[in-house]
Amino acid sequence: DTGVSQDPRHKITKRGQNVTFRCDPISEHNRLYWYRQTLGQGPEFLTYFQNEAQLEKSRLLSDRFSAERPKGSFSTLEIQRTEQGDSAMYLCASSLRGLGKNIQYFGAGTRLSVL
Amino acid sequence: AQSVTQPDIHITVSEGASLELRCNYSYGATPYLFWYVQSPGQGLQLLLKYFSGDTLVQGIKGFEAEFKRSQSSFNLRKPSVHWSDAAEYFCAVGLRSNQFYFGTGTSLTVIP
Repeated sequence: DTGVSQDPRHKITKRGQNVTFRCDPISEHNRLYWYRQTLGQGPEFLTYFQNEAQLEKSRLLSDRFSAERPKGSFSTLEIQRTEQGDSAMYLCASSLRGLGKNIQYFGAGTRLSVL
Repeated sequence: AQSVTQPDIHITVSEGASLELRCNYSYGATPYLFWYVQSPGQGLQLLLKYFSGDTLVQGIKGFEAEFKRSQSSFNLRKPSVHWSDAAEYFCAVGLRSNQFYFGTGTSLTVIP
């Protein structure tokens, strides 16, 4: 169990560029979540996958955002045409479905700065 | 709508003093309840969780929390704070839908 890993840890980009983040969940965890955290706020839910199926998306996930989990293991979050308002910490979490108890384990996050 | 309230934005305590961080939630049924801690630039580490049963739950690093249904609260406590406890603390509600709702966090400063 190596924990949830996210790559890169930091990303600086210019407005209008596309960025992609990767998340590797804890092995055997079938659920994967993406959150966004802005300064002084708690994480806000963006989307979640069970295996490769994206089961839920927040209204925060505009059409510039897309997430995939093609083989039910790692996931990518892409932001197209970045805006300064996209600057935030993007957190990934994973959990194992079982007994109805959902304990989410978080990665260290990817901090995005849009200039 | 579901919500989680952490009324204290920032708390300062002396090392060795006791600590209580407040959390109130608004939800129609008893949700799953969690406390996470976040050090600067880091992700969230799970401190403790409540699903059902005993309303006083023990966590890591000497933390405990008490669920009070009548007050819709899940306050975090520690009898003696250490300098290494300085961090941001988040209360979270987990729903059957798998979404987690987080409070805005309480920043803890520990002074010598």
